[in-house]
Amino acid sequence: QQPVQSPQAVILREGEDAVINCSSSKALYSVHWYRQKHGEAPVFLMILLKGGEQKGHEKISASFNEKKQQSSLYLTASQLSYSGTYFCGTVNYGQNFVFGPGTRLSVLP
Amino acid sequence: GAVVSQHPSWVICKSGTSVKIECRSLDFQATTMFWYRQFPKQSLMLMATSNEGSKATYEQGVEKDKFLINHASLTLSTLTVTSAHPEDSSFYICSARVSGRVTDTQYFGPGTRLTVL
Repeated sequence: QQPVQSPQAVILREGEDAVINCSSSKALYSVHWYRQKHGEAPVFLMILLKGGEQKGHEKISASFNEKKQQSSLYLTASQLSYSGTYFCGTVNYGQNFVFGPGTRLSVLP
Repeated sequence: GAVVSQHPSWVICKSGTSVKIECRSLDFQATTMFWYRQFPKQSLMLMATSNEGSKATYEQGVEKDKFLINHASLTLSTLTVTSAHPEDSSFYICSARVSGRVTDTQYFGPGTRLTVL
């Protein structure tokens, strides 16, 4: 079952913040976040396993709310290099990894 | 992180020909690799799971006789698109599964852009 991502697209000015949400209709075992730039393969950002877990890498962080069956990716003080399509990938209990539809992020100077 | 390579990075072929795409794990052994297809402005759709030494597992709607997968070694999986047609034109991406202590992570190859004329 494919997870739902919101928003579908977002346009930011450099330095602004953004939040991308990923939710599943079924219980989540783990959530993976990837970023894909045009014409390239997805690049792994981070994985979240436990409910309530939060992780971060530089100014990109994510949280995982197991009860709500959702994860959020936070991009703070966005940079031009953050532009791309962000995919969450979810693993439900007993099921395979499934990518979400993606959120297209554009950071403008 | 783990490095996965794909070859070729792009290919243009005539309708009716077969195209082979290679996926290699460069610095680790991958018992399981995945093949995805991505159409413009869409998400990655899993085509099949490739297991070393055994037959691939295909997703519903993917023709196994058209998309031949061979995982002959722990570092190489190949996808052959047989009798390619223009509708097979797409971005094909492989990934390799790396097992962690608690869960697995997928690392992706750079992708192969196939254009069928």
